This record gives sequence, structure tokens and C-alpha cells, in this order.
Amino acid sequence: GDSVTQMEGPVTLSEEAFLTINCTYTATGYPSLFWYVQYPGEGLQLLLKATKADDKGSNKGFEATYRKETTSFHLEKGSVQVSDSAVYFCALSDLGGNKLVFGAGTILRVKS
Amino acid sequence: NAGVTQTPKFQVLKTGQSMTLQCAQDMNHNSMYWYRQDPGMGLRLIYYSASEGTTDKGEVPNGYNVSRLNKREFSLRLESAAPSQTSVYFCASSGGLAGVLGPDTQYFGPGTRLTVL
Repeated sequence: GDSVTQMEGPVTLSEEAFLTINCTYTATGYPSLFWYVQYPGEGLQLLLKATKADDKGSNKGFEATYRKETTSFHLEKGSVQVSDSAVYFCALSDLGGNKLVFGAGTILRVKS
Repeated sequence: NAGVTQTPKFQVLKTGQSMTLQCAQDMNHNSMYWYRQDPGMGLRLIYYSASEGTTDKGEVPNGYNVSRLNKREFSLRLESAAPSQTSVYFCASSGGLAGVLGPDTQYFGPGTRLTVL
């Protein structure tokens, strides 16, 4: 079945450091790919998405490119802030587009 | 426009007690979902409802029942709570026709933190 694998955390960075969180997937067909973010004590919010190969999703300085050849959707940000501390989830939509399959989540901690 | 709302926010139960978690959305979405979140395991789908009047099992349905009361509301019931059901429960919805994010983007509620003693 479909699956998503994320790099294990926690990831601890200093403010203004470069961030990469790796995400790879296994899926039938060509799913949409998502990054969701969960701030402490809150529900998940969509951070960005991409719907086809070579698409780049971007939001709030975060970017991820849909790489079909490597089945990856790595999340990057050039300069993280303390306010980016959260849990980040990579996900894909199933073939019918009705359900999402989530990775285990990666905790990001940014120190000032 | 409140989005997805969940009640209660917190709940403590004793083993064997029952309870219903409520979820409502005001975005006119067709599909609704219940997930549980456990440390290190991401979100796991319990049940979902692709449209009003239909429900289907997800990855971890045992011990739960659901009701899609109408298009807006989707409740999750624990008939006889067990300590293994201690978790954070999230409701989500998707399938709106409006907006640039597409019909497969899910919108989440704030969650219910449930402890079963």
C-alpha cells in the first residue's frame, strides 16, 4: 500500500540555519503531496502542496519540489526562526483522492 | 467561518466508560475524517465519510463507531473505552469546490485529548 517515510527527529537548529526535512513516498499512480505543520497544542495546518511531478509548493519561506524520479518531497527553508518550532508531517493523497497517508512526523526545534 | 470545530477539548474516562466526540464543519465539505495521533506514529485514520450517508473503516477502526449525522457533523463514539485508546483525536474535512487548495486538501480541527484510566 501507499506509505510515507520521513526523517526521524527531533531536528534541532539555531536561528537562521538552513532546514531540510527529508520525505520519500511509495504510491500507486501520481498522488498529490503535502506538508502539514502542527504547532504546540494545535491541529494540523496545510503548509504547502504539489499536485504533479516537478511542481514546487511554497509558503512562508518553505519550499518542496515533487520529484517523481526519486519519489521524494523534501521540505526546505533557507533561514529558520524560533517561531518555526513545530511538528512537520509529510503526506500523500490516495488514488481516489479521498484519503491522506501521513508520515510519522518530524519535530523541529529552533534555538535563539 | 469557524472551519472545523471539535468538542470536548479534553476528556478523562475510566476503563469501560463510553463517550462521543463531536465534530462539525461549516465549509460545505463532502468528506470528513477521524484520526488518532500517538507519539512517533503520525496520524492514523480511524473512520472516514466520503459523503453524507456513507462511512468507511480506516486503518484502526476497532473499538470505535461513527455517525455522519448530516453534511456538517461527524461523530466518533467509544462504546467501552480502553487505556489503549488514550490519544489525541483529530477530525478533518475536505472536498470543497471553492478555493485554490483543491478538493483533496484536508482541514483539521483543534483536537480532543482523551485519557483513559
